[in-house]
Amino acid sequence: QKEVEQNSGPLSVPEGAIASLNCTYSDRGSQSFFWYRQYSGKSPELIMSIYSNGDKEDGRFTAQLNKASQYVSLLIRDSQPSDSATYLCAVLESGGYQKVTFGTGTKLQVIP
Amino acid sequence: DGGITQSPKYLFRKEGQNVTLSCEQNLNHDAMYWYRQDPGQGLRLIYYSQIVNDFQKGDIAEGYSVSREKKESFPLTVTSAQKNPTAFYLCASSGRLNTEAFFGQGTRLTVV
Repeated sequence: QKEVEQNSGPLSVPEGAIASLNCTYSDRGSQSFFWYRQYSGKSPELIMSIYSNGDKEDGRFTAQLNKASQYVSLLIRDSQPSDSATYLCAVLESGGYQKVTFGTGTKLQVIP
Repeated sequence: DGGITQSPKYLFRKEGQNVTLSCEQNLNHDAMYWYRQDPGQGLRLIYYSQIVNDFQKGDIAEGYSVSREKKESFPLTVTSAQKNPTAFYLCASSGRLNTEAFFGQGTRLTVV
């Protein structure tokens, strides 16, 4: 079974700081990677997708991908209390089927 | 408004009953998914479908069944064979070729 691993946290950062969330995956052939944010009791919402090695920036969010190391990360700059949520890393598996596997998520707490 | 609609939002099941959770999308997406989430846990894939009349088992398919008779609809039946069905059920869909998955609002199922 192909795996996606995240540190469950909680990760606590002060307001205004940079939060760094990490994810590793086992499927070396994967090409598509996603970060979702999930507030308690709600469904996940897509924050970022990344397909190529390097960085991808969108507002306060930066996704980083290193396929050689099988590692993807999400940086949140100028963290706000409203960023407090669980962040899920997801990987589209290789092999032709549209099968998306999620990590267990990292809980982020931004302290005012 | 384009989106994914799950119904009902809350569902109560008696022991030994089958129940069906509805998922409808008007995004013209080919792929659809069902995930289960337990408290404090990540998303686990139950079933997924790439095209009409075709679906594959995910990691925890036992005790569940699906159908995909229309592109827009992917209902999930939780059968009496599923011994611990209390969970948050999430339906998602994605376009073809490595695109992001978007989620419905979820159905919270409780066994009474």
